[in-house]
Amino acid sequence: QVQLVESGGGVVQPRMSLRLSCAASGFAFSSFGMHWVRQAPGKGLEWVAVISYDGSEIHYAESVKGRFTISRDNSKNTLSLQMNNLRNEDTGVYYCAKGWDNIVTINFFDAWGQGTRVTVSS
Amino acid sequence: DIVMNQSPDSLAVSLGERATINCKSSQSLLYTSRNKDFLAWYQQKPGQPPKVLIYWASTRESGVPDRFSGSGSGTDFTLTISRLQAEDVAVYYCQQYLTTPLTFGQGTRLEIK
Repeated sequence: QVQLVESGGGVVQPRMSLRLSCAASGFAFSSFGMHWVRQAPGKGLEWVAVISYDGSEIHYAESVKGRFTISRDNSKNTLSLQMNNLRNEDTGVYYCAKGWDNIVTINFFDAWGQGTRVTVSS
Repeated sequence: DIVMNQSPDSLAVSLGERATINCKSSQSLLYTSRNKDFLAWYQQKPGQPPKVLIYWASTRESGVPDRFSGSGSGTDFTLTISRLQAEDVAVYYCQQYLTTPLTFGQGTRLEIK
């Protein structure tokens, strides 16, 4: 079955960096677009970024553009999110999510990891 | 950006009764060349990641009980739970996937009356 396991979360000060990873298994990772979605404490869901199956197409939410970088290593079935210049409002649980379709990058999410918690605080 | 607005924000329904959650998008989610609405519904229970229930506005995900149904087209959509069970207590979100940025509704908290 599809399994997505996030790691790399933690507590950091504003303006610092953090790198999240997502280990994927149970499906043909290299064939699907992958997303990061976050959830601030007690709040709703916010889409962060998507990368196409081969890395050729990438989109970001305006709130993270220029600070976050999504990437993938299909040889290691791993998705990453490099987060620089972190702000207090980046605090939350970050979920790795699989796109449903193996052709179209922009999609809904048919599998989610358990999430990794990021806290940005001085 | 496409803004998604859900109503109500919270809802209390008796066991065995019907629950209805509405979702309105700021622009049409109907992709006419494919005749499909790019709208999904998710359920999120406390301490868990979301889980997709419905996509293409009305297609039930495999394994989702048939008491969950989705309807609507264009800008107005509805998630209906026909006979509420205790395990349906959760927050429900609609999401558009027509274009980036992908956007969610603010969520509807469903409780037992």
